[in-house]
Amino acid sequence: QVQLEESGPGLMQPSETLSLTCTVSGFSLTSNGVGWVRQPLGKGLVWMGTIWAGGSTNYNSAVQSRLSISRDTSKSQVFLKMNSLQPEDTGTYYCARHGPLFDYWGQGVMVTVSS
Amino acid sequence: DVVMTQTPPSLSVAIGQSVSISCKSSQSLVASDKNTYLNWLLQSPGRSPKRLIYQVSKLDSGVPDRFSGSGSEKDFTLKISRVEAEDLGVYYCLQGTHLPLTFGSGTKLEIK
Repeated sequence: QVQLEESGPGLMQPSETLSLTCTVSGFSLTSNGVGWVRQPLGKGLVWMGTIWAGGSTNYNSAVQSRLSISRDTSKSQVFLKMNSLQPEDTGTYYCARHGPLFDYWGQGVMVTVSS
Repeated sequence: DVVMTQTPPSLSVAIGQSVSISCKSSQSLVASDKNTYLNWLLQSPGRSPKRLIYQVSKLDSGVPDRFSGSGSEKDFTLKISRVEAEDLGVYYCLQGTHLPLTFGSGTKLEIK
């Protein structure tokens, strides 16, 4: 069955670079895209970016200058890297299969940015 | 960016009642392939979002037929007939026609 699982550090310092991994199973990254969605604590959902089946990427302009999404198809993993972290980057980060449109989601990983 | 205006922000209903949630987009969501990429998601307390409905009105597998979606172009509605306790949580609409993808602000459904 389709599954996605996020992993990464829970606590980050301001100005550091966040690295998250989304490990997928039940589908191929060369057949389906994967997107990242952030949810600040107690708030709504914000799309951050997607890596498509062909390997191209699209980013939300709000974070585009700080964000990079890549993948390792042999390991069925998608990576999110975001630099220059600020406290407002605190929240839960989800990966979701994109294409079909967000039909499966991971359980999310909470990231806190604090000194 | 496409703005998704979702109303109401919250609802409190009794078991067995029916409710409707509205989502209006600032642009038409009809894509060049003629499909309309409007999803409805439910985020139950402490859980990740779960897709209920895709392309306006198509139910995901395992979703009770108490849920229905309707609408076109810029105006969409999620209806829940005969609300059950398990339906509580926050409902979001999501448009996937235009980049960036955008979500509605959410509707919190509480059970009286």
